[in-house]
Amino acid sequence: GAVVSQHPSRVICKSGTSVKIECRSLDFQATTMFWYRQFPKKSLMLMATSNEGSKATYEQGVEKDKFLINHASLTLSTLTVTSAHPEDSSFYICSCGTASEETQYFGPGTRLLVL
Amino acid sequence: SQQGEEDPQALSIQEGENATMNCSYKTSINNLQWYRQNSGRGLVHLILIRSNEREKHSGRLRVTLDTSKKSSSLLITASRAADTASYFCATDSFNDYKLSFGAGTTVTVRA
Repeated sequence: GAVVSQHPSRVICKSGTSVKIECRSLDFQATTMFWYRQFPKKSLMLMATSNEGSKATYEQGVEKDKFLINHASLTLSTLTVTSAHPEDSSFYICSCGTASEETQYFGPGTRLLVL
Repeated sequence: SQQGEEDPQALSIQEGENATMNCSYKTSINNLQWYRQNSGRGLVHLILIRSNEREKHSGRLRVTLDTSKKSSSLLITASRAADTASYFCATDSFNDYKLSFGAGTTVTVRA
């Protein structure tokens, strides 16, 4: 099946710093990438949808200036958490979709801890 | 936004028993999918059922869909310790591949 990687798998940073998370589709071209956030023992909340070469579409309540998304190619999307605060600590998961399939392929997730 | 609710929230069964979990949703859907998540990991796609389908099988998994009740069930037969995970249903609507996830059911299979 399709493989999606995320880097880093976990990161600890100081409050006020920015953190970049990469999401790569390794063996297919992803026309659409999705970014989710998951709190402990909770479900996934969609943050934004990004299409290659265009601006991301953010869900209601998600600050686009706080969570910068860049989808520069069909295999790479990045999420940058700017000026991170402890409440940004969470598990961030990306997924990739293609134009021909309805299934999304999920990355392994990145655990962010902001001190 | 989340539209699915799942029950039970948690389920503990003995190895070899069957596990059944349910998912309800609120709006019309195109597809309903079930995913598994091991602790601290990403999601693994299990099965997709379309809105015009009523039942689907994949190995030890059986999924049903009742669009009149806006609900779906996932049955895992002959459970194994490796089935211990959280299970999520997710729906999408026509012309929109965004997924809306349920709250999830945590399944623990005791050896």
